[in-house]
Amino acid sequence: NAGVTQTPKFRVLKTGQSMTLLCAQDMNHEYMYWYRQDPGMGLRLIHYSVGEGTTAKGEVPDGYNVSRLKKQNFLLGLESAAPSQTSVYFCASSRTVFSNQPQHFGDGTRLSIL
Amino acid sequence: KNQVEQSPQSLIILEGKNCTLQCNYTVSPFSNLRWYKQDTGRGPVSLTIMTFSENTKSNGRYTATLDADTKQSSLHITASQLSDSASYICVVSFSNFGNEKLTFGTGTRLTIIP
Repeated sequence: NAGVTQTPKFRVLKTGQSMTLLCAQDMNHEYMYWYRQDPGMGLRLIHYSVGEGTTAKGEVPDGYNVSRLKKQNFLLGLESAAPSQTSVYFCASSRTVFSNQPQHFGDGTRLSIL
Repeated sequence: KNQVEQSPQSLIILEGKNCTLQCNYTVSPFSNLRWYKQDTGRGPVSLTIMTFSENTKSNGRYTATLDADTKQSSLHITASQLSDSASYICVVSFSNFGNEKLTFGTGTRLTIIP
């Protein structure tokens, strides 16, 4: 079982460049999430989606955009990358948002902005 | 402000020994508490999810406890193995106008030495 797959695994960008991080899940989950993980901090929610065609802002949405055109895919875009966006980005999915439903995480995309 | 604090930040123990990791939270209103294991370079993997009414929950050699009155949880690892070396993240869920939000701790880095 693939679970949650993120591409690419590593990327180096220059300030001002744009890119899209891809997330795909094969568990038919309704909910999908994008987090960033920085040293000394807990995971922080960037954006999330409660179903195909829907997106919502999380805790730290500035500088990012997302799209959920298909149920199995959730894309995270950086329009103009900044050094402050250097981080490890994790995608997750869950069957519902309610109690007792674990989030399943991908293995992350390590992004460096120079 | 909703917060999750974990202790210790890091821990080194000999293979075969037991250990206990702590999690204190100020999240309100509480919905559930989760423990995740995150191997180096990988995404978090769910170990347990406990709701308000659950005091103890086990998953193999991992046993989580919850005291909702004192807002404390612990994760006990029995007969540690080298594969237990990882970061352990405590996550507390709270309800916000019908939506469930997660607050992540910064994790405890556990190293098992032979």
